[in-house]
Amino acid sequence: KNEVEQSPQNLTAQEGEFITINCSYSVGISALHWLQQHPGGGIVSLFMLSSGKKKHGRLIATINIQEKHSSLHITASHPRDSAVYICSLIQGAQKLVFGQGTRLTINP
Amino acid sequence: KAGVTQTPRYLIKTRGQQVTLSCSPISGHRSVSWYQQTPGQGLQFLFEYFSETQRNKGNFPGRFSGRQFSNSRSEMNVSTLELGDSALYLCASRLGVDTEAFFGQGTRLTVV
Repeated sequence: KNEVEQSPQNLTAQEGEFITINCSYSVGISALHWLQQHPGGGIVSLFMLSSGKKKHGRLIATINIQEKHSSLHITASHPRDSAVYICSLIQGAQKLVFGQGTRLTINP
Repeated sequence: KAGVTQTPRYLIKTRGQQVTLSCSPISGHRSVSWYQQTPGQGLQFLFEYFSETQRNKGNFPGRFSGRQFSNSRSEMNVSTLELGDSALYLCASRLGVDTEAFFGQGTRLTVV
């Protein structure tokens, strides 16, 4: 079993819809990263969180340490949000473990 | 301030050759880590350097090596290239422990 599982693997939605991407993990972590990767490869860090909830613009990330679960929400989705979203675990000493990613497509 | 810079952006090599990739972290960041991304395996951790010392290593063969210089710039070397080494190689820099990672644009390596 993978240490980190993301769902769904692929998600297609219409512009304006509320999007939720889930990340479940089975190991102890010090923090969790949500990353965004656009075609072409560049990766942008969206959030790093170890508890509670963070919000940046239309993006919201939550984490429940007891349940080993995190979610990334996008409100009022837009075609420019189309990207691969990757959940990454930080396990001390900088080691990162990555989920397989969720490919999000927002249609106009 | 400037972001993480990786060079070159694209590279084509022949099987059996070796390759060196470079990563310049954000100024002041002492941690540099390297990752391999392939369609089949996703993102995988290669190794991480902090103040010129390798602190952590992923499950890759010894053909993959790296180093970090006193100015925090890092290089990654792959010897005896195999077709399966074709991938996007990404590096990330951090200020310190448990801080946010900033990624470079990556080097896309194609082995033919």
